Amino acid sequence: DADVTQTPRNRITKTGKRIMLECSQTKGHDRMYWYRQDPGLGLRLIYYSFDVKDINKGEISDGYSVSRQAQAKFSLSLESAIPNQTALYFCATSETGTGGRETQYFGPGTRLLVL
Amino acid sequence: GNSVTQMEGPVTLSEEAFLTINCTYTATGYPSLFWYVQYPGEGLQLLLKATKADDKGSNKGFEATYRKETTSFHLEKGSVQVSDSAVYFCALSEGSNYKLTFGKGTLLTVNP
Repeated sequence: DADVTQTPRNRITKTGKRIMLECSQTKGHDRMYWYRQDPGLGLRLIYYSFDVKDINKGEISDGYSVSRQAQAKFSLSLESAIPNQTALYFCATSETGTGGRETQYFGPGTRLLVL
Repeated sequence: GNSVTQMEGPVTLSEEAFLTINCTYTATGYPSLFWYVQYPGEGLQLLLKATKADDKGSNKGFEATYRKETTSFHLEKGSVQVSDSAVYFCALSEGSNYKLTFGKGTLLTVNP
């Protein structure tokens, strides 16, 4: 089984709808991240969490919210979806490490289309 | 702030050709540097990393050397295979928040 799973893998929704993307991990890592990938822009950080009680905004958090329900679960919500949130969304995890040397482990991604 | 600039693609090579993908960075301190690879339809996975100046990361025939004097971390492989076709991302991590800053990615296609 995959260490980092994301559900759903694909989602089509309409403008104004609220949706939730879920991420679960079995790696036992404290740190979890949400990124979005857009063609030609690389990956950009939306939110990150260093433990259940520590949640932080990334560079593009507007229009998104997150919930860290447990060490293993980190959900991303779009409160009112808009077309420019159409993208590929990745969840990632990492250990609590030493000065940024730790590897991040990525899920397979959720492809979201907002009509 | 931190930034990563990598060679724009797409890059198309024939099998067994030599590969270089350039990556330069801007950071205020002493970052760790990474190359991640994304195969079609999959998430990113770590290819190699280097955590201090002059370190060389290597994996699967790929290599990159952390050059502080030129703020570079170029990816090289001596002989590419069709299975190396993927998108390659250069990234850095610095500071107490340990966030990754990614380049825009370079699409590599290797033809038989």
